[in-house]
Amino acid sequence: GENVEQHPSTLSVQEGDSAVIKCTYSDSASNYFPWYKQELGKRPQLIIDIRSNVGEKKDQRIAVTLNKTAKHFSLHITETQPEDSAVYFCAAENGGFKTIFGAGTRLFVKA
Amino acid sequence: EADIYQTPRYLVIGTGKKITLECSQTMGHDKMYWYQQDPGMELHLIHYSYGVNSTEKGDLSSESTVSRIRTEHFPLTLESARPSHTSQYLCASSEPYAELQQYFGPGTRLTVT
Repeated sequence: GENVEQHPSTLSVQEGDSAVIKCTYSDSASNYFPWYKQELGKRPQLIIDIRSNVGEKKDQRIAVTLNKTAKHFSLHITETQPEDSAVYFCAAENGGFKTIFGAGTRLFVKA
Repeated sequence: EADIYQTPRYLVIGTGKKITLECSQTMGHDKMYWYQQDPGMELHLIHYSYGVNSTEKGDLSSESTVSRIRTEHFPLTLESARPSHTSQYLCASSEPYAELQQYFGPGTRLTVT
């Protein structure tokens, strides 16, 4: 069946370094790829998303890239700060019908 | 203010009790979801709805049921709670074909003793 694989499951970086989280998806009909951040004890919230007609999108320190041919997309966080510590979930959606979430990446930013 | 609400936020209940977790959204979204999540772990989809009178089972087998009589309301019911149901339950909503992103509620942390 359709699935989204997310790597790594845990990522530890030093403050100021960059962090990269990668996801691959199997459903070629997927055309919307959101990233959610879930801080400890809080609800997941959208931080950035990308649609299939775009290869890259940037919002301040975060960026997402999409390679539709290879069916993978990545989240890039530059100049990481302690408040970036959270669990990050990628997802792939096929036009509002079905959303598949990755298993999550626990990011630790050490001060 | 547009938002998605869940009640109760915390619930401790004995085995065998029937419980209903409430979820309401004020955004007029057609699509709503229920996820089960142990803290910081994977999101497991247990039910979803495309709109009024539409309900579907998700990927994770669940002993719960849902109903969608009104657009804004999507309650989840456990007929007989068991310790294995102890988890966090997150409700979410989205507007298909438009924004697509899911808006999550604050969650209900359920403990079954």
